[in-house]
Order: sequence, then C-alpha cells, then structure tokens
Amino acid sequence: EVQLVQSGAEVKKPGESLKISCKGSGYSFTSYWIGWVRQMPGKGLEWMGIIYPGDSDTRYSPSFQGQVTISADKSISTAYLQWSSLKASDTAMYYCARHLRGYSYDGNYYYYMDVWGKGTTVTVSS
Amino acid sequence: QSALTQPRSVSGSPGQSVTISCTGTSSDVGGYNYVSWYQQHPGKAPKLMIYDVSKRPSGVPDRFSGSKSGNTASLTISGLQAEDEADYYCCSYAGSYTLGVFGGGTKLTVL
Repeated sequence: EVQLVQSGAEVKKPGESLKISCKGSGYSFTSYWIGWVRQMPGKGLEWMGIIYPGDSDTRYSPSFQGQVTISADKSISTAYLQWSSLKASDTAMYYCARHLRGYSYDGNYYYYMDVWGKGTTVTVSS
Repeated sequence: QSALTQPRSVSGSPGQSVTISCTGTSSDVGGYNYVSWYQQHPGKAPKLMIYDVSKRPSGVPDRFSGSKSGNTASLTISGLQAEDEADYYCCSYAGSYTLGVFGGGTKLTVL
C-alpha cells in the first residue's frame, strides 16, 4: 500500500525554525515527485512546491519561493519542509502529496496529486 | 496567479445530481486540458477524484465525472449519497511559471 506518513503537530513561537517530515512507503520514493500543500485555518488549498527525490530537483510556487525550503533524503524515503524563521501567518495544516506528472503540449510538465499524507498542524504563536 | 472561481456552496438531495463549476481564464482552465478535482471531508486529507479534466483514478465511483467548456471546468456527481458531503477543489495547470492554481473550494451539502 502506498503511504505517506507525516510528522506530528508542532507548536512554535515566531522567529523559531522548524522542519517537518513526510515518509513515503509502498512505492519507489525516488521515482515520483513529492510536494507540499498548505491549508490555512478555514481556507482552501495552496500549492507550495515539489521535489524529485531522485536528483533533488525542486520547484516552488512563486508565493512560497524564498519563504520555505523543500528537501528530501532518499536514503530514508523522507521529504521535508522547513522554515528558518516562522511567522504567525505560517499557522496552517501542511499536507505532503505524491505527484504524478504529465507532459503538456506547450512543452512543459503539469502535475496532480494522487496520494496524500494526513497532514501536519503547525501553530505559531507567542 | 488568481485562484480559480468556484461557488462557495452547492446542495442536493440523495439520488439527485449536482454540478460544481470551476471558472478560470484562457491562461489556465481554458488553455489546457489539465484540470484535476479533489474531495476533502472535514478534518481529512484531500483525495484525488478526477484528473486530466475527465479521467477517474482507480477506485473512484463512476458517479463522479468531469468535463470542460471554454474557461469553465465542471465536476458532476450523480446519484448523490450522504458520504459525498465534503469540500471539493478544482486545480488547473497554468503554464510553466507556476505549478498550478487551485479554486477556492465548494462545500457540497447533501440534504
């Protein structure tokens, strides 16, 4: 069974750093893109970025570029999302998801998410 | 990139059909056939229901179908069941400079 298991809930103060994780199992971790989606309280889904664990190629949505870092350790089939200095506005649920990729007729790739983790709640409050 | 526009809520009775719309522009929904739909029950992770406008992943009931006309994609759920009550999000490819764009989500209530 394909599974993504995320790390537990976090409560942090503004300015602190944080790294949350997502461990894949039941499939070849290095052969699929994996990424992160944010859901702020009571709000919709926002695509943050993706990484290809096979070669660590990483793509970010413009809104999240420079705000977070996505990484992966293929030796332990785990992807990460990290912040160097949290803000209250980072309070949200964060989902990791396995991404499938198709080839667009404009010469680029498009993505959609077929397997999701259960989510990690991050609360940032003084 | 602006979010795709979905109705805030839709409702239907068991056994009926409902359609959720997702309106974008010629730069996203209208320009490509790469729309996906996700179902999210309260407190749960999203689940892929439709991809490439109208394809269903294995295990998704054929009561769920997708289509597109111009800049608007649609998710139709026929034979509504109580367990279909959830939030639904559309998502579209929007060109090379972004991963994609989500809609704001639609809450489906089964009366």
